[in-house]
Amino acid sequence: GAVVSQHPSRVICKSGTSVKIECRSLDFQATTMFWYRQFPKQSLMLMATSNEGSKATYEQGVEKDKFLINHASLTLSTLTVTSAHPEDSSFYICSARGSSGAVETQYFGPGTRLLVL
Amino acid sequence: QKEVEQNSGPLSVPEGAIASLNCTYSDRGSQSFFWYRQYSGKSPELIMSIYSNGDKEDGRFTAQLNKASQYVSLLIRDSQPSDSATYLCAVLQGGSEKLVFGKGTKLTVNP
Repeated sequence: GAVVSQHPSRVICKSGTSVKIECRSLDFQATTMFWYRQFPKQSLMLMATSNEGSKATYEQGVEKDKFLINHASLTLSTLTVTSAHPEDSSFYICSARGSSGAVETQYFGPGTRLLVL
Repeated sequence: QKEVEQNSGPLSVPEGAIASLNCTYSDRGSQSFFWYRQYSGKSPELIMSIYSNGDKEDGRFTAQLNKASQYVSLLIRDSQPSDSATYLCAVLQGGSEKLVFGKGTKLTVNP
């Protein structure tokens, strides 16, 4: 199956700093990537949809200036949490949708656990 | 508001039994349906996808879809303790590339 990687897997940072998370599709080209957030014992919440070469589309209630998304190539999307605060501590998961074959299937990365102190 | 509903459980079955997980959805325009398995602390892993009415089998897993009833289910035969996880039902919104997830059903398979 399709492989999606994320880096880092875990990060601890101080309040006010920025954190960048990378999401890569390793064996296929992803025209679209998605960023989710999951709080403990809750389901996945879509934050934004990222299309290669264009601006991300954010879900209602997600601050685009706080969660910066860049999808510079067909295999890489990045999420930057700017001026992170403790309430941003969560499990951030990306997924990638293939451009052929897996047309309507999303494959998830392993996730990044963020803890803001 | 497009919704996907699942019984949160927990669902507990003995090893070797059949586990039945159910999901209903509100968007009649949905055409693609997925079951993901999520172990505690891990990201979701795709188990099954189904697009047509009826059954689709893959090893011990069978997905069932009934679009008229807006209902999709997952059967796990010969359940194993390693199947213990939260199972997420996901529906691709009609005319969209977004997946809408249910809140998940926690399954425990007892040895």
